Amino acid sequence: AQSVTQPDIHITVSEGASLELRCNYSYGATPYLFWYVQSPGQGLQLLLKYFSGDTLVQGIKGFEAEFKRSQSSFNLRKPSVHWSDAAEYFCAVAGRGYQKVTFGTGTKLQVIP
Amino acid sequence: DAGVTQSPTHLIKTRGQQVTLRCSPKSGHDTVSWYQQALGQGPQFIFQYYEEEERQRGNFPDRFSGHQFPNYSSELNVNALLLGDSALYLCASSLASGPSNEQFFGPGTRLTVL
Repeated sequence: AQSVTQPDIHITVSEGASLELRCNYSYGATPYLFWYVQSPGQGLQLLLKYFSGDTLVQGIKGFEAEFKRSQSSFNLRKPSVHWSDAAEYFCAVAGRGYQKVTFGTGTKLQVIP
Repeated sequence: DAGVTQSPTHLIKTRGQQVTLRCSPKSGHDTVSWYQQALGQGPQFIFQYYEEEERQRGNFPDRFSGHQFPNYSSELNVNALLLGDSALYLCASSLASGPSNEQFFGPGTRLTVL
């Protein structure tokens, strides 16, 4: 069965500092991987996705993520965090073909001035 | 181009009642998935509809049922509501023939069961 682990429940960073959110997945083959962001009371917005090819993927709002097959990881990074980045971030995995998407439990990001 | 829309935005019900939530997919999409997001948790997959049939189902009881209409819109029905059914219900749409499982999410329906 596929699963996602986000080990950090809550992270606090200063505005302008760099950010890395961790994500580890479990899946028997090469998965589809996603990062979503959710602001309070809102739905999910897709930040970026990995399907195949280049393991470093660029997303919206200056985010990037790197797929590392050997570590079963797909960590999200941003070089300089803005106050508007404060939100909850979800990593998700899906199998090839049309299958359900499995989400992690999320990491809540707080940005301090 | 309208994205995924859901109605109602908020809903309050009492235990034992039944509820129907509605979803209109993004234009051009033919597949609808439903998720339950409890407070402080990630979304949990309920089921997915394609060509008016349930294609896959998560670990939810039969009290949760759905329907997809010829125009690809969808309903989620929950019978015999329990307090634990209180959650944000998210609808996501996608294209079956697309290259990936990329899903576009609606804003959700917040269900409160008293």
